[in-house]
Amino acid sequence: GQNIDQPTEMTATEGAIVQINCTYQTSGFNGLFWYQQHAGEAPTFLSYNVLDGLEEKGRFSSFLSRSKGYSYLLLKELQMKDSASYLCAVKDSNYQLIWGAGTKLIIKP
Amino acid sequence: ETGVTQTPRHLVMGMTNKKSLKCEQHLGHNAMYWYKQSAKKPLELMFVYSLEERVENNSVPSRFSPECPNSSHLFLHLHTLQPEDSALYLCASSQGGSGGVETQYFGPGTRLLVL
Repeated sequence: GQNIDQPTEMTATEGAIVQINCTYQTSGFNGLFWYQQHAGEAPTFLSYNVLDGLEEKGRFSSFLSRSKGYSYLLLKELQMKDSASYLCAVKDSNYQLIWGAGTKLIIKP
Repeated sequence: ETGVTQTPRHLVMGMTNKKSLKCEQHLGHNAMYWYKQSAKKPLELMFVYSLEERVENNSVPSRFSPECPNSSHLFLHLHTLQPEDSALYLCASSQGGSGGVETQYFGPGTRLLVL
């Protein structure tokens, strides 16, 4: 079967750096997405990786290794507003999005 | 703002009620989606419409009935739901058809409670 694994919950300190990992086992690969979802709000698009390597976008970066079936989302200079759930999703060979259960990130002062 | 709106934001209904969820996208997209989000579970894709035609129905119970009158509007009609159907129902849209790598943009969801 197809599977996306990511930690259920993480805690970090304001101003620090946190890395949220995502491993996947899917039938084919057509890209990996990261979304941010604040409680009670819509998931919002953060990043898309289809080639190996690091994509940087301000305080957020996303890394992909297709050979390892692995990605991470790196958040720098954490702010209280970064407290949210972070969803990892992979498009399989049929272009269907397979979703992880999300990682709830708690930022403490 | 993501350009995708959903109404109502919250809904409480009994098991014998009939209600409808509405989604509207203002992004000029051609594909629209209904998802179910339950606590600590992955998003579950329910229905996909591409160019106003339904292209996927992931074995969703018939008590959920989608309707897509045009490329900007999507409805989910609810009838004789069960308590386990209580969840957040998210609508999303994307540019082009559903068979590509286009990013999906989500609405804020309808929080449904079935009593």
